[in-house]
Amino acid sequence: DIQMTQSPSTLSASVGDRVTITCRASQSISSWLAWYQQKPGKAPKLLIYKASSLESGVPSRFSGSGSGTEFTLTISSLQPDDSATYYCQQYNSIQVSFGQGTKLEIK
Amino acid sequence: EVQLVESGGGLVQPGGSLRLSCAASGFTFSSYEMNWVRQAPGKGLEWLSYIGRSDITIYYADSVKGRFTISRDNAKNSLYLHMNSLRAEDTAVYYCAKVNSGYYYFDYWGQGTLVTVSS
Repeated sequence: DIQMTQSPSTLSASVGDRVTITCRASQSISSWLAWYQQKPGKAPKLLIYKASSLESGVPSRFSGSGSGTEFTLTISSLQPDDSATYYCQQYNSIQVSFGQGTKLEIK
Repeated sequence: EVQLVESGGGLVQPGGSLRLSCAASGFTFSSYEMNWVRQAPGKGLEWLSYIGRSDITIYYADSVKGRFTISRDNAKNSLYLHMNSLRAEDTAVYYCAKVNSGYYYFDYWGQGTLVTVSS
């Protein structure tokens, strides 16, 4: 099984800040990585797929990069609406797995 | 508009059974692979099960293998999760999720249904 590890677990930043979340895979997953945003009481929402492709309708301040075992999600200019928990997910195989999540708080 | 609506959650005693349903609309259900994912209270996302476009190809997480059964009825545009031998640690919100065509990430999720296993 492929293990996904996110860092940090929690993050506090101010509006306008550039924020980066890291996701590491226990083995190479090429670019088969997605990022999701989840707000309390809501279902996850797809942000990024194939490591760096922006899902339709997602603001351009979100971007993804990486390949192999190390990936990043970057928010270029943090907005109040970005307060949420973010999850990475590998889909190198049908038996996918998620990172443990990064809770992003706005100062 | 793609919609996934889960139902069937509720309170069940340890050792009991429950069947979750996911009603799909807004897309050609029979053309897409589907999954179940759960989230325990205050915890992260856990993938549970995958089913192909027919029910020939099925996978389970080790945590539910032998206790949970995924199925689908393409004529009814519905996905199911039959859960047996439920344990307290199965308490979670259960989501159905649609796979993007050919790639195993989830482009649409339902709103979730809460399953509580408690005596």
